Amino acid sequence: AQSVTQPDIHITVSEGASLELRCNYSYGATPYLFWYVQSPGQGLQLLLKYFSGDTLVQGIKGFEAEFKRSQSSFNLRKPSVHWSDAAEYFCAVGGGGSYIPTFGRGTSLIVHP
Amino acid sequence: KAGVTQTPRYLIKTRGQQVTLSCSPISGHRSVSWYQQTPGQGLQFLFEYFSETQRNKGNFPGRFSGRQFSNSRSEMNVSTLELGDSALYLCASSEGGSSNQPQHFGDGTRLSIL
Repeated sequence: AQSVTQPDIHITVSEGASLELRCNYSYGATPYLFWYVQSPGQGLQLLLKYFSGDTLVQGIKGFEAEFKRSQSSFNLRKPSVHWSDAAEYFCAVGGGGSYIPTFGRGTSLIVHP
Repeated sequence: KAGVTQTPRYLIKTRGQQVTLSCSPISGHRSVSWYQQTPGQGLQFLFEYFSETQRNKGNFPGRFSGRQFSNSRSEMNVSTLELGDSALYLCASSEGGSSNQPQHFGDGTRLSIL
């Protein structure tokens, strides 16, 4: 069975600084990987997804993520954070015979002005 | 296409009551999943339906149940409500119900138990 670990419960950055949110997965074959964002009072919105091919994936809102098989990681990055990026971020992994992706516990991003 | 629609958005109930939440998936999506989200436990999977059949179930007591209709709309029911059931309940849909497909979420129903 697949699993996802998001090691950081909270991350605090200053507006304009770069951001990296960590995600480690456990899965035997090539995984399907997703990043979602949840703003307060809303549902989860898909930021980007990795299925195969180029290991650097571009998403919406200026986010990107890099798949590193050797490290079983799929970290989310943004070069310059905006105050509106303050939200909860979820990493998810799918694949094999499972019907739905497995979600991590989430990382709460706090942005200081 | 319209997104996933959940109704109602907010609900207040008292202990011992029961509640029914509704979810209309994106048109053409046949899989509907339900999640409970609380500050302490995070996002927890409740169950998943595909073509009116429950395929997956999380680790929740039998008080939590669901169903899916022929038009893919889904409802979840919680009976004998407890204070700990206060949470944001999220519904998500996907096309074929495989884990390699992204899920599309509604904005949730905020359930408060008094």
